[in-house]
Amino acid sequence: ELKVEQNPLFLSMQEGKNYTIYCNYSTTSDRLYWYRQDPGKSLESLFVLLSNGAVKQEGRLMASLDTKARLSTLHITAAVHDLSATYFCAVDGTSGSRLTFGEGTQLTVNP
Amino acid sequence: DGGITQSPKYLFRKEGQNVTLSCEQNLNHDAMYWYRQDPGQGLRLIYYSQIVNDFQKGDIAEGYSVSREKKESFPLTVTSAQKNPPAFYLCASSLGWGQGNNEQFFGPGTRLTVL
Repeated sequence: ELKVEQNPLFLSMQEGKNYTIYCNYSTTSDRLYWYRQDPGKSLESLFVLLSNGAVKQEGRLMASLDTKARLSTLHITAAVHDLSATYFCAVDGTSGSRLTFGEGTQLTVNP
Repeated sequence: DGGITQSPKYLFRKEGQNVTLSCEQNLNHDAMYWYRQDPGQGLRLIYYSQIVNDFQKGDIAEGYSVSREKKESFPLTVTSAQKNPPAFYLCASSLGWGQGNNEQFFGPGTRLTVL
């Protein structure tokens, strides 16, 4: 059974600082997705990582995938308040088209 | 505009009533999914469908039913709704298995409160 773990689950950081969210998974997969959820809202797709070594960047966020380590990272550079949200990673397993989601990381960026 | 629509946005029902949540997509996706999100929690998969007229149970299928008679539509019925904190129901779709990319696109969600 595929398990996906994110850490930390809660992250409070100051504006201007850098930090990394980690997503570990338990079985072989080379496809991983990052989503953002604002309070009371649905999930919005951030990054699609489809191969080992894939790196994607959008603004202050950068995501990478290491399939050998079964690890993806979401790096935040010079955080701003607008990045406050919950971030989920999801891994493409072997059971048809379903994804397995991590528990989510609730990020709060303080002025 | 292509996308996924869910209706209604807010839904109130009395305990023990059945309630059906609507999900429609015009992305021409083969696969569709239903998730439940409780307050402060992650997503739990209820049912998913990889093709018309076929669907599979997810991790919390008990107390729910679905149908997939059309590619565009995947309604979810909550049978005999139980009183719990309001839950957020999210519908999603993707290209489908074997397409090389299973990125899921989410609808706006329906918040169900059982009184």
